[in-house]
Amino acid sequence: ETGVTQTPRHLVMGMTNKKSLKCEQHLGHNAMYWYKQSAKKPLELMFVYNFKEQTENNSVPSRFSPECPNSSHLFLHLHTLQPEDSALYLCASSQDGTGRYEQYFGPGTRLTVT
Amino acid sequence: DAKTTQPPSMDCAEGRAANLPCNHSTISGNEYVYWYRQIHSQGPQYIIHGLKNNETNEMASLIITEDRKSSTLILPHATLRDTAVYYCIVNRIISNFGNEKLTFGTGTRLTIIP
Repeated sequence: ETGVTQTPRHLVMGMTNKKSLKCEQHLGHNAMYWYKQSAKKPLELMFVYNFKEQTENNSVPSRFSPECPNSSHLFLHLHTLQPEDSALYLCASSQDGTGRYEQYFGPGTRLTVT
Repeated sequence: DAKTTQPPSMDCAEGRAANLPCNHSTISGNEYVYWYRQIHSQGPQYIIHGLKNNETNEMASLIITEDRKSSTLILPHATLRDTAVYYCIVNRIISNFGNEKLTFGTGTRLTIIP
């Protein structure tokens, strides 16, 4: 257990559905991150929130919409996804966004778009 | 960010020390060296990080050369549970209210042989 939880662990959705991924950290951290890991590809950073402010959007399509209501919770809202969006979505947190501190990752949500 | 170069795969006998090399010849003075690992289909796990000096914790040791252009992660007594992909990342330190992002490459796939 890393102190970062993600729900659901598995999700199957159609291209016209709307769903949300949830991440919660119990570490008192101030920075939270969404990553995407497609099959046989390196992890790709999607979004960064530092002290609840979005500080990075790594050219992610608008069908992915993040939300960070407080420092402990992070959501990824999904709508009209494509089959190529099927991947493992990972949430992480760190004490802050300066790079001095390690990131702690959740177990991920395995998303399949049909 | 400085780029890193790692061998794509390595084998190590169970009970022996696993030495994983990483080249980061363009590293700059304010960049830390971080190591993470990812066991199949799980979230990455932080192992260790360092700036200039060698570091040791309960999981591993990190040896950084004096010129900081390369480093070696040492798992002193490898077990089957250490089979994973190991990522070497250099991470820049920035201001308290900025953000820094990890850039994962393809890592080294370490297989521990019984």
